[in-house]
Amino acid sequence: AQSVSQHNHHVILSEAASLELGCNYSYGGTVNLFWYVQYPGQHLQLLLKYFSGDPLVKGIKGFEAEFIKSKFSFNLRKPSVQWSDTAEYFCAVMPKSGGYNKLIFGAGTRLAVHP
Amino acid sequence: NAGVTQTPKFRVLKTGQSMTLLCAQDMNHEYMYWYRQDPGMGLRLIHYSVGEGTTAKGEVPDGYNVSRLKKQNFLLGLESAAPSQTSVYFCASSTQGVGYGYTFGSGTRLTVV
Repeated sequence: AQSVSQHNHHVILSEAASLELGCNYSYGGTVNLFWYVQYPGQHLQLLLKYFSGDPLVKGIKGFEAEFIKSKFSFNLRKPSVQWSDTAEYFCAVMPKSGGYNKLIFGAGTRLAVHP
Repeated sequence: NAGVTQTPKFRVLKTGQSMTLLCAQDMNHEYMYWYRQDPGMGLRLIHYSVGEGTTAKGEVPDGYNVSRLKKQNFLLGLESAAPSQTSVYFCASSTQGVGYGYTFGSGTRLTVV
């Protein structure tokens, strides 16, 4: 069965610290990959996405992610976090064929950034 | 530019009551989805629709029914609510092209007591 695993459920950082959130997926075919962010009390918003090409993708607000096909991973990074990055982050996988664009989400990582 | 609109935003039900959640999108998207979000479990797909008049089961369909009589609307029904259905429900829509992300609604927080 297809699944997405996010290694850290809760992360606490101080402002200016670097961030890396892990994401691994289980699927035999080719996929599109996404990171979504959910700020407190809000709906999910797209941070970045990978379809093909350069495995290092840049998203909004200084976030980037690297697709490593051999490791089935799509880790999210940011060099220097801000208090406003406090949110929950979801990794998601979309099989490229036969899936009607269905997204499979990980359980999420709650990030708290302290001033 | 409304995007995806969900109604209601909050609701409290008693066990056994029924209700319908409405999702409306104005982007002419072919695909629509209903997810539930529970702490520590991420979002799980309940039902989805790939076009007007068509629906399909997702990962956790039991206890829910859906209908898509018009392209812009996707209704989620709970016939007999149970406390296990206490959750936040998100609707999303997507174009037919492979690889496009979703546009999400703002969610419905449902509590079943």
